[in-house]
Amino acid sequence: DAGITQSPRHKVTETGTPVTLRCHQTENHRYMYWYRQDPGHGLRLIHYSYGVKDTDKGEVSDGYSVSRSKTEDFLLTLESATSSQTSVYFCAISDGTGELFFGEGSRLTVL
Amino acid sequence: GENVEQHPSTLSVQEGDSAVIKCTYSDSASNYFPWYKQELGKRPQLIIDIRSNVGEKKDQRIAVTLNKTAKHFSLHITETQPEDSAVYFCAATPFSGGYNKLIFGAGTRLAVHP
Repeated sequence: DAGITQSPRHKVTETGTPVTLRCHQTENHRYMYWYRQDPGHGLRLIHYSYGVKDTDKGEVSDGYSVSRSKTEDFLLTLESATSSQTSVYFCAISDGTGELFFGEGSRLTVL
Repeated sequence: GENVEQHPSTLSVQEGDSAVIKCTYSDSASNYFPWYKQELGKRPQLIIDIRSNVGEKKDQRIAVTLNKTAKHFSLHITETQPEDSAVYFCAATPFSGGYNKLIFGAGTRLAVHP
């Protein structure tokens, strides 16, 4: 498996609190992505990064922000968590040839 | 932007039968069409992909076909086995190297019964 880890793997939080999910890679891949997975919706792109400090929005970016200060780390922040953001979040990395390598996922529950 | 529809949402077959999953896409600029398999509780993993300059691609028991005129592509699994049971996602994107904004279908849950 590609060297990609997500933390935390599970988190329960309350509505209105900020939450940060971390994606860490050891592959030195340039491209990193955050997806959310919900039943009936497949995988939906939240944000992606094409280099350090270079990020852009995906399909469902409202309520989320990202930062990438180092090649190996891509952070996803929910500024004020809502119940609609209860989901499984997957980070993915790519070397630019097409294939995405996914992390193991982070299950977030917002009460 | 791109929109990908996937059918059926669930598929149940007997071991040894074939399974076919179909996807349609909306963006005529899309040229890269991967398929990912996600076993229960695991991460999605690429199983096969096809680019628009190819009409069909095979890898052992799996194959993918692409019809660019009709904007649809399909995954074919022959001689299904219980370990093929998983959720399968199709995806599409315009891609020319670099980052790609893969848009996924909603997934098909395949159950293979012994």
